[in-house]
Amino acid sequence: KAGVTQTPRYLIKTRGQQVTLSCSPISGHRSVSWYQQTPGQGLQFLFEYFSETQRNKGNFPGRFSGRQFSNSRSEMNVSTLELGDSALYLCASSWDKTYEQYFGPGTRLTVT
Amino acid sequence: QQPVQSPQAVILREGEDAVINCSSSKALYSVHWYRQKHGEAPIFLMILLKGGEQKGHDKISASFNEKKQQSSLYLTASQLSYSGTYFCGTESGGSNYKLTFGKGTLLTVNP
Repeated sequence: KAGVTQTPRYLIKTRGQQVTLSCSPISGHRSVSWYQQTPGQGLQFLFEYFSETQRNKGNFPGRFSGRQFSNSRSEMNVSTLELGDSALYLCASSWDKTYEQYFGPGTRLTVT
Repeated sequence: QQPVQSPQAVILREGEDAVINCSSSKALYSVHWYRQKHGEAPIFLMILLKGGEQKGHDKISASFNEKKQQSSLYLTASQLSYSGTYFCGTESGGSNYKLTFGKGTLLTVNP
């Protein structure tokens, strides 16, 4: 079956701009989690959605937001981009909490 | 809070064994292990649940000490393909779902 897909794969933005990243989970998966990965901090949890509801949110400023649609596809938005937002953004889908997560290839965001 | 992994890095020769540890200051409901190769997405290795249930690959073994909030991943007879960064993720249960990952352990297996 098709894996998790993320678009776009690479993105270059300037400070102050806004960006929207998209994630399509594996068919049938209703849980989608988003992570920010940077060399120094590893994988940091952004938020998790299940059946269009945000179940939890990590310790990120309100500039980071997300949503999930009825087909389980998810988007995350970062407004007023800062240089420190440069990172690999990964989404992962799963059946539910105690099931393995399948990660997408990520979106590499560079803020200049 | 972020779980602590040890060691931060380990270098092995093919055929040697390694243990990677993951420790949390919070009571845990589950521990998840993933491996990520450079430039690739993390892939699932194993989930260990409170109460003893495990889900994962047959060739991977791990333990979960619920009282000590610790987990260990055992890599035996290492192969070159085992190289990568290993992450443990911890989850404390409840209605909210938040998987918190450690900073990773870089494993290098040399011929």
